[in-house]
Amino acid sequence: DQQVKQNSPSLSVQEGRISILNCDYTNSMFDYFLWYKKYPAEGPTFLISISSIKDKNEDGRFTVFLNKSAKHLSLHIVPSQPGDSAVYFCAASGSGNTPLVFGKGTRLSVIA
Amino acid sequence: GAGVSQSPSNKVTEKGKDVELRCDPISGHTALYWYRQSLGQGLEFLIYFQGNSAPDKSGLPSDRFSAERTGGSVSTLTIQRTQQEDSAVYLCASSLAPGGLPGTGELFFGEGSRLTVL
Repeated sequence: DQQVKQNSPSLSVQEGRISILNCDYTNSMFDYFLWYKKYPAEGPTFLISISSIKDKNEDGRFTVFLNKSAKHLSLHIVPSQPGDSAVYFCAASGSGNTPLVFGKGTRLSVIA
Repeated sequence: GAGVSQSPSNKVTEKGKDVELRCDPISGHTALYWYRQSLGQGLEFLIYFQGNSAPDKSGLPSDRFSAERTGGSVSTLTIQRTQQEDSAVYLCASSLAPGGLPGTGELFFGEGSRLTVL
């Protein structure tokens, strides 16, 4: 029973265009959401997060949108760069002392 | 060191053998997690240590898996009688605070230990 779902295993985008990575969740107790980025042979690194009290959080080229009623979040990268090519994991957590639950990841390829 | 350190980086073992994977978290981080990533799968939660509290073992797939954290720092994940389905990258992560707390709970991952069971 996957609580965090990333239904697109891969995405290919032209350099300079927008990349949109989607994530759905089923647990209504989740109130904190994060995106991690993973390069081959490296551990995931934190990218951006959003609390359930917000519907948008922006950090440079990266913006995360949260739609609580739809239990959906998305990560927008604009403009996309070749160095953004990586696997992106969506993660979610309930309040406080709970481990993060991760999705299966989406492999983004940004083509020059 | 500055980051989370894991060893060995690669381990090839025969089915039925026991293996130990080590994680040295970032100094001062109270929370430590083990996840694994099997081929084509996401990050599967295994076990979570937070300070002196009893660990959350809810993600361990079978009783062949165990983990301990000595002195609130280094952790060892032990897999007994390994099976081929145990082949995966085992990732350790640490955080300043329990995972999920905005601004402080972001996890810092090590590079992982790739386990191959023949």
